[in-house]
Amino acid sequence: DSGVTQTPKHLITATGQRVTLRCSPRSGDLSVYWYQQSLDQGLQFLIQYYNGEERAKGNILERFSAQQFPDLHSELNLSSLELGDSALYFCASSDGDREETSERNQPQHFGDGTRLSIL
Amino acid sequence: AQTVTQSQPEMSVQEAETVTLSCTYDTSESNYYLFWYKQPPSRQMILVIRQEAYKQQNATENRFSVNFQKAAKSFSLKISDSQLGDTAMYFCAFMKHNAGNMLTFGGGTRLMVKP
Repeated sequence: DSGVTQTPKHLITATGQRVTLRCSPRSGDLSVYWYQQSLDQGLQFLIQYYNGEERAKGNILERFSAQQFPDLHSELNLSSLELGDSALYFCASSDGDREETSERNQPQHFGDGTRLSIL
Repeated sequence: AQTVTQSQPEMSVQEAETVTLSCTYDTSESNYYLFWYKQPPSRQMILVIRQEAYKQQNATENRFSVNFQKAAKSFSLKISDSQLGDTAMYFCAFMKHNAGNMLTFGGGTRLMVKP
């Protein structure tokens, strides 16, 4: 158990709809990352939040948005869904966003993912 | 931008034997971290091993070890005494030095351990 909780585990919806994926990071972790795993694009970084603020953006579509709340949980919102958005969406967390020695630099720990299927 | 390449889409190994998965990367950074993640059929992403680029000593975690060649930008994973439970997708990943940076993944290698 990584300590990162993602809900729901599975989501089936139709094109044009909007969904929200939720992530609770490990206790004490301030950084949350979202990744998309699809057959054609592989594992891609979408966006990172640190202590409520957006820190980095990757290949995230404009139809997608995210936020991190004061309790550090994060939500990824996907709107105007298309068939190509079908994928496994992972959330990961780590303990920081700062210069640290390697002994304190903890790697990212992943949740079990949310499987999104667009019909 | 960093790129990570895993040139072996699929590999197989007999139980109890040793297998090596390849990974190369391209970066202009001098300090960074490299990781191997395992994704079994359950789809979880499990950290197997990590390496700090400034450390010359290769990382080892039980049956898993790496061969890190910084000049060649190569980071291979060796699995000794392969077990059926090692059957999974293996992803090599790169992260810049600062804690809190995103991971850049390779395309993965599907490993099948045969009884």
